[in-house]
Amino acid sequence: GAGVSQTPSNKVTEKGKYVELRCDPISGHTALYWYRQSLGQGPEFLIYFQGTGAADDSGLPNDRFFAVRPEGSVSTLKIQRTERGDSAVYLCASSPQTGTAYGYTFGSGTRLTVV
Amino acid sequence: QKEVEQNSGPLSVPEGAIASLNCTYSDRGSQSFFWYRQYSGKSPELIMSIYSNGDKEDGRFTAQLNKASQYVSLLIRDSQPSDSATYLCAASLSGTASKLTFGTGTRLQVTL
Repeated sequence: GAGVSQTPSNKVTEKGKYVELRCDPISGHTALYWYRQSLGQGPEFLIYFQGTGAADDSGLPNDRFFAVRPEGSVSTLKIQRTERGDSAVYLCASSPQTGTAYGYTFGSGTRLTVV
Repeated sequence: QKEVEQNSGPLSVPEGAIASLNCTYSDRGSQSFFWYRQYSGKSPELIMSIYSNGDKEDGRFTAQLNKASQYVSLLIRDSQPSDSATYLCAASLSGTASKLTFGTGTRLQVTL
């Protein structure tokens, strides 16, 4: 596609529920990143993929968070047993390859609200 | 000390003036620096990157990097109301070549 696509754009879920957030990167971009942005803060790194493998998952806050990219394109961020503190905008970005020299192109984000 | 620091603002400048946005970073080994613009309710948009000491110009935007002082700035000449947004500074810290660390952003208001 022309840009990074994220679905859904908004998700409201009840505390304790499971959610999946989807990211479709720019065609041909091998690197894919997930960030989380809370109100009034800058984006916070969660995980990045080079191809199918998670090259760095050091930003995942705990084991309730997991992400996959099985075919090296679309990625899904999965959050189990959601908590109110998980409420944030989840941003996905892609770049032609790893290394930050290219900067990122962000998707429009998924706003997650846990009630 | 935060790894990337910005004044949250708001920074208010009149239309046509130069807006100066500043950012400091704590990791002396940081290599790459970026400025993103974020409109309210939208995702960040890359506007400038800089890797070497000195100035880099792109249209009305100039990024400045001083590695000795660990300081990055963004100048916006002839500021327009459409420049009103939050500007995020980001750095690639040493040992983290493939992820960016962001500041909290500076909100810029360009007044008529």
